[in-house]
Amino acid sequence: DAGVTQSPTHLIKTRGQQVTLRCSPKSGHDTVSWYQQALGQGPQFIFQYYEEEERQRGNFPDRFSGHQFPNYSSELNVNALLLGDSALYLCASSSGAYNEQFFGPGTRLTVL
Amino acid sequence: GENVEQHPSTLSVQEGDSAVIKCTYSDSASNYFPWYKQELGKGPQLIIDIRSNVGEKKDQRIAVTLNKTAKHFSLHITETQPEDSAVYFCAARTRRGGSQGNLIFGKGTKLSVKP
Repeated sequence: DAGVTQSPTHLIKTRGQQVTLRCSPKSGHDTVSWYQQALGQGPQFIFQYYEEEERQRGNFPDRFSGHQFPNYSSELNVNALLLGDSALYLCASSSGAYNEQFFGPGTRLTVL
Repeated sequence: GENVEQHPSTLSVQEGDSAVIKCTYSDSASNYFPWYKQELGKGPQLIIDIRSNVGEKKDQRIAVTLNKTAKHFSLHITETQPEDSAVYFCAARTRRGGSQGNLIFGKGTKLSVKP
């Protein structure tokens, strides 16, 4: 049984570009949450998807958007990239919003 | 909103000693407190969690205690081993204001276990 998977592993972009990150949840999970982890910091909540809708959002600008597909996989999109968007982007899945969250390995995004 | 403070930021122990990491939270409505271990280049791994209706939970060498009155919770690792070396994060989840389950993380503790 595969755990949470994310792609790509690493990504390098330049300022102003757009990026799409992908996440496949653990088998049996229907809820996906996205977090941003800056170097040396704890993960910060971006948003959560359940039943293909954004259910909750953290303190992130509208440049950050997402989507959840019928198979529960999810995408995180970031537009107009800034240098400060460089971070590890983590996806976590759970069975419902209130159960344990299991994290994927993350996507390391570098913005030059 | 919820705020989670974690101490210490770094912790060095000798193999076989115990390690304790402490966290405090601000929102009395928080009801779920997981601990994650993150190794270099990997995502956080859930190692133990506790809910607000329980004061203590143990899993082999790892235990977590919760004091709801004081709004703090702690991770205890006994008989530490070199493979316990990693960054540990505490987190809290609140259900206040319709919140549907996002986690608020502490800033992490880098644990080093010396052989």
